[in-house]
Amino acid sequence: DAGITQSPRHKVTETGTPVTLRCHQTENHRYMYWYRQDPGHGLRLIHYSYGVKDTDKGEVSDGYSVSRSKTEDFLLTLESATSSQTSVYFCAITRKRTENTEAFFGQGTRLTVV
Amino acid sequence: ILNVEQSPQSLHVQEGDSTNFTCSFPSSNFYALHWYRWETAKSPEALFVMTLNGDEKKKGRISATLNTKEGYSYLYIKGSQPEDSATYLCAFTHADGLTFGKGTHLIIQP
Repeated sequence: DAGITQSPRHKVTETGTPVTLRCHQTENHRYMYWYRQDPGHGLRLIHYSYGVKDTDKGEVSDGYSVSRSKTEDFLLTLESATSSQTSVYFCAITRKRTENTEAFFGQGTRLTVV
Repeated sequence: ILNVEQSPQSLHVQEGDSTNFTCSFPSSNFYALHWYRWETAKSPEALFVMTLNGDEKKKGRISATLNTKEGYSYLYIKGSQPEDSATYLCAFTHADGLTFGKGTHLIIQP
């Protein structure tokens, strides 16, 4: 199994509070991604990183920010959580951005905003 | 926004039958097409990554084909077994990374 872990695995938080999810990898892969999984939508890209301090927005980035200060860690922050951000969040890593490189996923974080 | 369409959304198949489903993707700026198998309460796991038009890949009873000119890929499962029940995701690699389809939810009925 690829060395990728997410923390926490489950979290319940109140509307308006900040929340940070962590993705940690031991594979030294350059590219890291945050997705959210919702019924009827599959996996949607929130933000991605192509190196330390290099990040960019994905399809559903509103309300989220990210940071990558080290190769191994990619943090996703909800500055002020809303109920619409209740979801399962997956982190993924790839060795390369293109070509025939498969993605490895973390176990997912189930976030509930009440 | 790049659209990756999968059909059907869900599929019930009798054990022992063969089945297939489709992934459609933009044919321009193509880098690679991925198939993932996603079991409930687990993380998606890669089945195939294909890059060349006409590519065919096989892993046991599961195989996939790729047509980059017309923008589609088929996933085939031969002789379905209960353990094949899962959601099958395809993903299209482009300049900004991976965009996933919504998946085909496959249920194998004994």
